[in-house]
Amino acid sequence: ETGVTQSPTHLIKTRGQQVTLRCSSQSGHNTVSWYQQALGQGPQFIFQYYREEENGRGNFPPRFSGLQFPNYSSELNVNALELDDSALYLCASSLQTSGSREQYFGPGTRLTVT
Amino acid sequence: GENVEQHPSTLSVQEGDSAVIKCTYSDSASNYFPWYKQELGKRPQLIIDIRSNVGEKKDQRIAVTLNKTAKHFSLHITETQPEDSAVYFCAAMETSYDKVIFGPGTSLSVIP
Repeated sequence: ETGVTQSPTHLIKTRGQQVTLRCSSQSGHNTVSWYQQALGQGPQFIFQYYREEENGRGNFPPRFSGLQFPNYSSELNVNALELDDSALYLCASSLQTSGSREQYFGPGTRLTVT
Repeated sequence: GENVEQHPSTLSVQEGDSAVIKCTYSDSASNYFPWYKQELGKRPQLIIDIRSNVGEKKDQRIAVTLNKTAKHFSLHITETQPEDSAVYFCAAMETSYDKVIFGPGTSLSVIP
């Protein structure tokens, strides 16, 4: 198992609500990436945070936002939830060095929007 | 932007046989290609990766090959075992900003 943790494990929300998901990166890692994985599909890149700043974003609307804290943990916030936001949300941590790009995933948060 | 295709979507092999999964990518700037294994209800697990300055890499029963010219890369699993059954994802990354693009996945079943 990796040292990446996520909370909560499962979450049920109603359409229109807001949600915050949390990720603690592996010790020594300074970069956190967030992915959305719909059932039966590959993870889709949402965005990445490096040294507390957004460092790249996928094709997700602005209601998906994030934060990274000085200890490199991170939050994913989703506003105005839609039914299609139901998915497994994964975070992955990595260490940005010149030669290392391995990303290690957390166990994910299963979000259900009703 | 980068697009990763993966084939086949499902693969069934007899225990002990080999399995091959093939991927293509579109962005010539991509230079890092990880492979992930995801068992049902679990997180994706990095099993092997290859960088664009290498044509082949092997780790026990798993090997990856990369053809930069054709923008193809493949995963080879030899002597398959039932515990190899899972969904396998290939991915491509352009390392200037670490955006990883995943393929749609291959569901591998190893029949005892």
